[in-house]
Amino acid sequence: KQEVTQIPAALSVPEGENLVLNCSFTDSAIYNLQWFRQDPGKGLTSLLLIQSSQREQTSGRLNASLDKSSGRSTLYIAASQPGDSATYLCAVGAGFQKLVFGTGTRLLVSP
Amino acid sequence: NAGVTQTPKFQVLKTGQSMTLQCAQDMNHEYMSWYRQDPGMGLRLIHYSVGAGITDQGEVPNGYNVSRSTTEDFPLRLLSAAPSQTSVYFCASSYFATGELFFGEGSRLTVL
Repeated sequence: KQEVTQIPAALSVPEGENLVLNCSFTDSAIYNLQWFRQDPGKGLTSLLLIQSSQREQTSGRLNASLDKSSGRSTLYIAASQPGDSATYLCAVGAGFQKLVFGTGTRLLVSP
Repeated sequence: NAGVTQTPKFQVLKTGQSMTLQCAQDMNHEYMSWYRQDPGMGLRLIHYSVGAGITDQGEVPNGYNVSRSTTEDFPLRLLSAAPSQTSVYFCASSYFATGELFFGEGSRLTVL
């Protein structure tokens, strides 16, 4: 059974710092990997989607990498801002529409 | 562009009551799914659909029913609510089978 782990569970950094969020999964047979952002009391917003044949995706200050062989993905956030404060969720595509989620990393960026 | 719309946003039920959570998308997506989010457990897949008339079970389907009569709508029915169904429910859709998922704002359900 696919299991997804996100470390750390919480992270607090000062504004301007570059940071890395980690996601690991147990089964390398995945369709894709997606990173989401969730604000308190809100739904999930898709940040980056990496298909299984890809190694990384970039959007603005965000860069996500995928290493299927080691079962790892990282989300790199450059020059963090207070507006980046949220919970970041990693989800692995285990089949059509079947995402397996990690429990998230709660990020706080202080001014 | 409304995206994925869920109603109601909040609901309180008594044990044994039934209700339907509504989900509609206006993006012409074939693929739709329902997840529940519980503290410390992440989101878990309840049911999903790959097109009108086609549904299948996810990881935690017991106590829930779904149907997909149109491309736009994918309601989730709780047949006889139990306190263990207290959760936040999210509906999601995508254009491709393994494409980017778009989520609704969620429906927070409390079962007393």
